[in-house]
Amino acid sequence: SAVISQKPSRDICQRGTSLTIQCQVDSQVTMMFWYRQQPGQSLTLIATANQGSEATYESGFVIDKFPISRPNLTFSTLTVSNMSPEDSSIYLCSVERGRSNGYTFGSGTRLTVV
Amino acid sequence: GQQLNQSPQSMFIQEGEDVSMNCTSSSIFNTWLWYKQEPGEGPVLLIALYKAGELTSNGRLTAQFGITRKDSFLNISASIPSDVGIYFCAGLSYNNNDMRFGAGTRLTVKP
Repeated sequence: SAVISQKPSRDICQRGTSLTIQCQVDSQVTMMFWYRQQPGQSLTLIATANQGSEATYESGFVIDKFPISRPNLTFSTLTVSNMSPEDSSIYLCSVERGRSNGYTFGSGTRLTVV
Repeated sequence: GQQLNQSPQSMFIQEGEDVSMNCTSSSIFNTWLWYKQEPGEGPVLLIALYKAGELTSNGRLTAQFGITRKDSFLNISASIPSDVGIYFCAGLSYNNNDMRFGAGTRLTVKP
């Protein structure tokens, strides 16, 4: 299955600033997914990123707060904008392992907003 | 949206004991998956199930896809300390191309 490199692995940021998280895959994939995992919680899908089109956001997530880029079939970024302490979470990118075979995940970005 | 109910929320067991956890859904999934997450890492796929009634093993792990397609269980036999982590069920349906997760089962194994 695909190997995903995600960075940064962790960061501590000041409120009001923005952080861009990068996700690099070692093979071309059609869809990339961004998840948020709040402390002690499960994973919640933020958006689905297709190359060449706008990302599709889940209910409760908006493009102004979480802009996503997908410039090619191996790379995507998620920006967490105008951060507040409530944005402190682990952010994970993932890709499909083949249709209906589940996803492979990056190791995540642990974000703390102070 | 689709809801996945996973239980138990946490388990504290002695090394060597067997473990069982399960997930139920309000709607049908076409694929059930079980992941394990260790601290500082993303979830890693343990077992994927594709057919109602399917029973699949991966070493000491066994998982089943429920007949109704609305539930799945994961068993771990003869637990060892490295089984510690959070186990998530997840479901995929043909209608949605995204994966939904249960709340997780936090497993602690005492040596």
